Amino acid sequence: AQSVTQPDIHITVSEGASLELRCNYSYGATPYLFWYVQSPGQGLQLLLKYFSGDTLVQGIKGFEAEFKRSQSSFNLRKPSVHWSDAAEYFCAAQGGKLIFGQGTELSVKP
Amino acid sequence: DTAVSQTPKYLVTQMGNDKSIKCEQNLGHDTMYWYKQDSKKFLKIMFSYNNKELIINETVPNRFSPKSPDKAHLNLHINSLELGDSAVYFCASSQTGAVMGTDTQYFGPGTRLTVL
Repeated sequence: AQSVTQPDIHITVSEGASLELRCNYSYGATPYLFWYVQSPGQGLQLLLKYFSGDTLVQGIKGFEAEFKRSQSSFNLRKPSVHWSDAAEYFCAAQGGKLIFGQGTELSVKP
Repeated sequence: DTAVSQTPKYLVTQMGNDKSIKCEQNLGHDTMYWYKQDSKKFLKIMFSYNNKELIINETVPNRFSPKSPDKAHLNLHINSLELGDSAVYFCASSQTGAVMGTDTQYFGPGTRLTVL
């Protein structure tokens, strides 16, 4: 069955520290991959997407993600986290329907 | 300019009532979706319409009935509300919604439904 897994339910990082959020997918073929962010009480905003080509994808707000076919992963990274990055982050894969991971809640401490 | 909008933002109602949530997109997209986000923040698709035609219908109770008067609108009507229907409902839209398309989905702000 198609699935997306985000192993970390909650991550806390210090402001200014680097961030990596993990995402693994299980699909018959490589799906299209997305990262969305949901700020408290808000809808989902698209951070970035991967369809094909360069495996390092740049997104908004200084985020990037790297697609690794051998590991079936699409991890999200940011070199320096800001307090405003505190939110829920969802990885999603599309091979027909859009399937979401469970989400990772990011807390940022001063 | 709001791309995907939903009304109302909050909806509190009693068990057994019937309620509707409205969604509108001004992106000119052909496909619209309804998702349910449960209390654990898990998001799952419920329905998808392409040019007013139902193309995805997940195993959702018959009490839920989507209606698309035109391709810019997709409303969700829920009959006989139950406690378990309490969730955040998100509307989304995409350009073509092809089965293996590259179409990015854009989400509305969500409607928080609370059933008492």
